Amino acid sequence: EAQVTQNPRYLITVTGKKLTVTCSQNMNHEYMSWYRQDPGLGLRQIYYSMNVEVTDKGDVPEGYKVSRKEKRNFPLILESPSPNQTSLYFCASSHQGAGQETQYFGPGTRLLVL
Amino acid sequence: GNSVTQMEGPVTLSEEAFLTINCTYTATGYPSLFWYVQYPGEGLQLLLKATKADDKGSNKGFEATYRKETTSFHLEKGSVQVSDSAVYFCALGRGSTLGRLYFGRGTQLTVWP
Repeated sequence: EAQVTQNPRYLITVTGKKLTVTCSQNMNHEYMSWYRQDPGLGLRQIYYSMNVEVTDKGDVPEGYKVSRKEKRNFPLILESPSPNQTSLYFCASSHQGAGQETQYFGPGTRLLVL
Repeated sequence: GNSVTQMEGPVTLSEEAFLTINCTYTATGYPSLFWYVQYPGEGLQLLLKATKADDKGSNKGFEATYRKETTSFHLEKGSVQVSDSAVYFCALGRGSTLGRLYFGRGTQLTVWP
């Protein structure tokens, strides 16, 4: 089954404790992206990657890091989480080329930073 | 720049009522337009899309027409069901930004039996 998976689905942590949210897709997509969803703000892009070893900032990259060492994986790293990073996070992927803007979303990771 | 504005929610309807969720956009050139739906506890799913002016996207009884003259992409359904209760997001995509999507703030729809 074609899918985007994220782990963990729920996470409670404390300020300053490094964490990683994993994202994996099995569709051989070139493009992957991370969004955060906050009430009243919709989805905002954090980082995206157009292919292996190619990443760039989205609209709200501060406080986040990403890496793309393999095509299927795109982890989101919070080196020193803060309470304002409490949010719902989504990973998404898509092909380049025709239909490239049809993105497939993971189920989301709900993060609470105390 | 690129942006999407969609009507504020929440929207509450009775089953079989007519639904319209307004969406307007700002963009240079010729973007693609999308509606995504998010059911409770799930990620976003593509509902429908249109890639050029006057195209009509449709799926599951929902429709939206790409209107370049009014820069709009309103979502409509003739008869909603309880199972349509979800959050709906309008989005704009630019081919030049290789898959980048710009989302509206989302509209919560609740349908009562």
